[in-house]
Amino acid sequence: EVQLVESGGGLVQPGRSLRLSCVASGFIFEDYAMHWVRQVPGKGLEWVSFISWNSNRIDYADSVKGRFTISRDNAKNSLYLQMNSLRPEDSALYYCAKPLHSGWEVFDYWGQGTLVTVSS
Amino acid sequence: EIVLTQSPGTLSLSPGERATLSCRASQSVSSSYLAWYQHKPGQAPRLLIYVASSRATDIPDRFSGSGSGTDFTLTISRLEPEDFAVYYCQQFGSSPPTFGGGTKVEIK
Repeated sequence: EVQLVESGGGLVQPGRSLRLSCVASGFIFEDYAMHWVRQVPGKGLEWVSFISWNSNRIDYADSVKGRFTISRDNAKNSLYLQMNSLRPEDSALYYCAKPLHSGWEVFDYWGQGTLVTVSS
Repeated sequence: EIVLTQSPGTLSLSPGERATLSCRASQSVSSSYLAWYQHKPGQAPRLLIYVASSRATDIPDRFSGSGSGTDFTLTISRLEPEDFAVYYCQQFGSSPPTFGGGTKVEIK
């Protein structure tokens, strides 16, 4: 059974940093690109970032480019999102998501999410 | 980036009725790379449909997708009690992938 378990969320002041983690199981993690997607409570979904299976290709939404860094450790079946210079508008539920096929940005498994709140 | 507009915002229907949800793109979606998700409070989103009309694994055949270009539709032929949720469309033909604002299907 595929499982994605996020952690690392919490309450943080504007301008501070937070590191999210996602541990994957039930599939061959190193065979897949991975993504982060977020949802502001009560609002829609927003794609945040992508990393290829071997970390050679990375991409970000314009809203987080230059502030967030995605990474992965295939030996630990883990995905990370380092979030710096956090803003109130970054407050959201952050999901890690597995693509249906590695080359596609459509997601067949999602974690339960980890909540990030940016507030003074 | 491609903007997806979903309508209606809320659909009030009774179990057993047919639901028709619309997703319109600001420009043509390449290769019909459009997906639909179901999202319930406190749960992870669930992939229903991809490439416009292909059902994901274990999705009942009462869910169907259609469309191409800029206009796409998700149809639920007969609503079951567990189908009341928010539904999102998503395009993955152009970078960045983008989501619509959602349609809430609520019990009338």
